[in-house]
Amino acid sequence: AQSVTQPDIHITVSEGASLELRCNYSYGATPYLFWYVQSPGQGLQLLLKYFSGDTLVQGIKGFEAEFKRSQSSFNLRKPSVHWSDAAEYFCVSSMRDSGAGSYQLTFGKGTKLSVIP
Amino acid sequence: DTGVSQDPRHKITKRGQNVTFRCDPISEHNRLYWYRQTLGQGPEFLTYFQNEAQLEKSRLLSDRFSAERPKGSFSTLEIQRTEQGDSAMYLCASSGVRGNPFTLHFGNGTRLTVT
Repeated sequence: AQSVTQPDIHITVSEGASLELRCNYSYGATPYLFWYVQSPGQGLQLLLKYFSGDTLVQGIKGFEAEFKRSQSSFNLRKPSVHWSDAAEYFCVSSMRDSGAGSYQLTFGKGTKLSVIP
Repeated sequence: DTGVSQDPRHKITKRGQNVTFRCDPISEHNRLYWYRQTLGQGPEFLTYFQNEAQLEKSRLLSDRFSAERPKGSFSTLEIQRTEQGDSAMYLCASSGVRGNPFTLHFGNGTRLTVT
């Protein structure tokens, strides 16, 4: 069974500082990988996704993530954090082959990001 | 694209009562998912519809839970004889034939509190 681990439950950074959120996946083959963000009172929003090809993926809001097969990691980064980035971030995986046509997602437990002005 | 909408936003019920939630997916999306999110956890998959057919159910979905998607449009999730452990955020998501099927669009969820 596939699983996603986000080692950091809560991270606090100063506005303008750089950010890296860690994610490791466990799956026999390379899964599809995503980062979603959930702000209070808001639905889950897709930041970026990796299916294949270039291992450095650009997303919305200035976020990027790098897939590293050797480390089974898909860390999320942002060079300069804004106060509006405070939210919960989920690393997500999906199996490439789904017998029932289901593309169900497996979520990590999330990392809560706080931003100090 | 009006997004995925869920109703109600909040529901407070007493233990033992039945509750029903509704999800309206993005209109052209044929795939619909229900997830449950408890405090401090990521969302967990409950069930999946392709058009009107319920094709996959998680073992998390006990016999007290039932989901339908008549005519392949909106979906309902009913919980019978609610228990305090059912308190959670229930999320609906959809994806379509156009675009990548792995890209799920989520609603804002229904927060259930069982007292």
